[in-house]
Amino acid sequence: DAKTTQPPSMDCAEGRAANLPCNHSTISGNEYVYWYRQIHSQGPQYIIHGLKNNETNEMASLIITEDRKSSTLILPHATLRDTAVYYCIVVNQAGTALIFGKGTTLSVSS
Amino acid sequence: KAGVTQTPRYLIKTRGQQVTLSCSPISGHRSVSWYQQTPGQGLQFLFEYFSETQRNKGNFPGRFSGRQFSNSRSEMNVSTLELGDSALYLCASSLVDSSYEQYFGPGTRLTVT
Repeated sequence: DAKTTQPPSMDCAEGRAANLPCNHSTISGNEYVYWYRQIHSQGPQYIIHGLKNNETNEMASLIITEDRKSSTLILPHATLRDTAVYYCIVVNQAGTALIFGKGTTLSVSS
Repeated sequence: KAGVTQTPRYLIKTRGQQVTLSCSPISGHRSVSWYQQTPGQGLQFLFEYFSETQRNKGNFPGRFSGRQFSNSRSEMNVSTLELGDSALYLCASSLVDSSYEQYFGPGTRLTVT
């Protein structure tokens, strides 16, 4: 699976959009990008995933660059409850083990 | 729909003992995966079960084992506990096998003294 690089921490003001970047320059054509988050003392929570097209659901939007070497998770209106560690994970279809890196700690403040 | 449940939520054991943790997946989900989370190593994959068969296994010693029952509920067992086994053990379920869209339970916090 391709390696990902994320900033260790980011800050965001409540009500503003939070844009979390992820670099995956070695991604292969059949590898997907998945995003999870983990709020303190809870299990990780699935957010969204994509292959090459941009994706949106009720939680967030995922923007993948045309060359697929990077992506951005967008929380359109961050709230205090969005404070968490966000993990960007690149996977292929060969298995089911999620390989979590260190992620980005997003702090949302009022 | 109820989420993934794990029991017990907290557990204290002594070195050398064994422990069994339980996981009930979301209704209808047939795949269950287990992960270990520690401050030093982060989240690490232990194993995955689907239809009572282990489908995938992480890089953990044989002291860590698991099983899945016909109702998709799963248990994991750690024998001869070591201090380093102190961790949050997380269970995740998914609708089908080979799925990365996994839904996690709250975890079992194991402390080994």
